Amino acid sequence: DADVTQTPRNRITKTGKRIMLECSQTKGHDRMYWYRQDPGLGLRLIYYSFDVKDINKGEISDGYSVSRQAQAKFSLSLESAIPNQTALYFCATGGDRVSGANVLTFGAGSRLTVL
Amino acid sequence: KQEVTQIPAALSVPEGENLVLNCSFTDSAIYNLQWFRQDPGKGLTSLLLIQSSQREQTSGRLNASLDKSSGRSTLYIAASQPGDSATYLCAVPRGSGYALNFGKGTSLLVTP
Repeated sequence: DADVTQTPRNRITKTGKRIMLECSQTKGHDRMYWYRQDPGLGLRLIYYSFDVKDINKGEISDGYSVSRQAQAKFSLSLESAIPNQTALYFCATGGDRVSGANVLTFGAGSRLTVL
Repeated sequence: KQEVTQIPAALSVPEGENLVLNCSFTDSAIYNLQWFRQDPGKGLTSLLLIQSSQREQTSGRLNASLDKSSGRSTLYIAASQPGDSATYLCAVPRGSGYALNFGKGTSLLVTP
């Protein structure tokens, strides 16, 4: 099983629909992140969380919300999807408790298309 | 704001060549830098992490260097192979936190 699992892997939806992307991890990491990747724009940070009670906005949080349901779970929601939210979304975890190293582990990505 | 730039955006080399990928960042007050690899349609895989106290880090045919004062890092790939074809991204921490800012990547194609 993958260390960082994202569901769904692919989703096509319509403008105005609510969408949730889920992320779970078995790394035991405290830190979790959501990024989106767009051609020509690279990876941009949406939200990040350093523990269950800590949620922080990234550079492009408008139109998104997150929930850290447990140490191992971090979900990203689009309350009312719009076409320019069409992108590849990545969840990542980091923060090795033994070494302290912040090497990030990424999920395989969730491809979202908003029509 | 920390800006990360990678040059070139794309690179094509014949198999066996040694090559260098470049990464520059605007705020030299970083405490580490990471290089990642991304295969098409896939997630990112961490290749190397260099702490600010280090100047180099090696893993197999990969060698990453870091010069904080000049705001630069290089990823050297020795004896390139077709399996090295992928996009390579560098990333540095945002401010004092643990979230990362990424460059846009260098797309590498190694031809047989």
